[in-house]
Amino acid sequence: KAGVTQTPRYLIKTRGQQVTLSCSPISGHRSVSWYQQTPGQGLQFLFEYFSETQRNKGNFPGRFSGRQFSNSRSEMNVSTLELGDSALYLCASSLRRNYEQYFGPGTRLTVT
Amino acid sequence: QQPVQSPQAVILREGEDAVINCSSSKALYSVHWYRQKHGEAPVFLMILLKGGEQKGHDKISASFNEKKQQSSLYLTASQLSYSGTYFCGTEEGTNAGGTSYGKLTFGQGTILTVHP
Repeated sequence: KAGVTQTPRYLIKTRGQQVTLSCSPISGHRSVSWYQQTPGQGLQFLFEYFSETQRNKGNFPGRFSGRQFSNSRSEMNVSTLELGDSALYLCASSLRRNYEQYFGPGTRLTVT
Repeated sequence: QQPVQSPQAVILREGEDAVINCSSSKALYSVHWYRQKHGEAPVFLMILLKGGEQKGHDKISASFNEKKQQSSLYLTASQLSYSGTYFCGTEEGTNAGGTSYGKLTFGQGTILTVHP
């Protein structure tokens, strides 16, 4: 079975721009969660999607948004990028909510 | 609220044992444990649910004290491959379907280094 895939793997953007990251979960997995990982703040929860609905959201500003499609693929969008948004963005999928999560390799976003 | 992990770092020789603790000030519904090696994605180790249900790998064991909101991960007879950063993730709430269901809050991590 193919693992969780994330695209792109690396991204460099300029302050003020917007970015869209993509996540393809393991086949059959319906829950997708997104996390931001930085050396200073660690692993922080962004959102959880299940059956195309956002079920939970972390403490991030409204510039961070996401969605899930009918095939469980998910995207997250960050608008008006700030330097502090530079991070590794990880997507994780699971068969159902509150179950073991399988993480993708992440997208390394650098904002200059 | 972020759970607190202890110790922050531990160094072992192959074959030695270690315990990593995770403590929360909130009522918990579940505790998850993950290991992340440098430059790689976190990998699932164990999930412990309120009520005693557990799911994880055969060589990893953990406990969840629901009254104290604490969990411990037990690593026995450590191997070089155990090296990495261990994270606990907690899910607040007292029942499935609560408002925080599905939201994992991770601790700051415990760096485990195993030497030959």
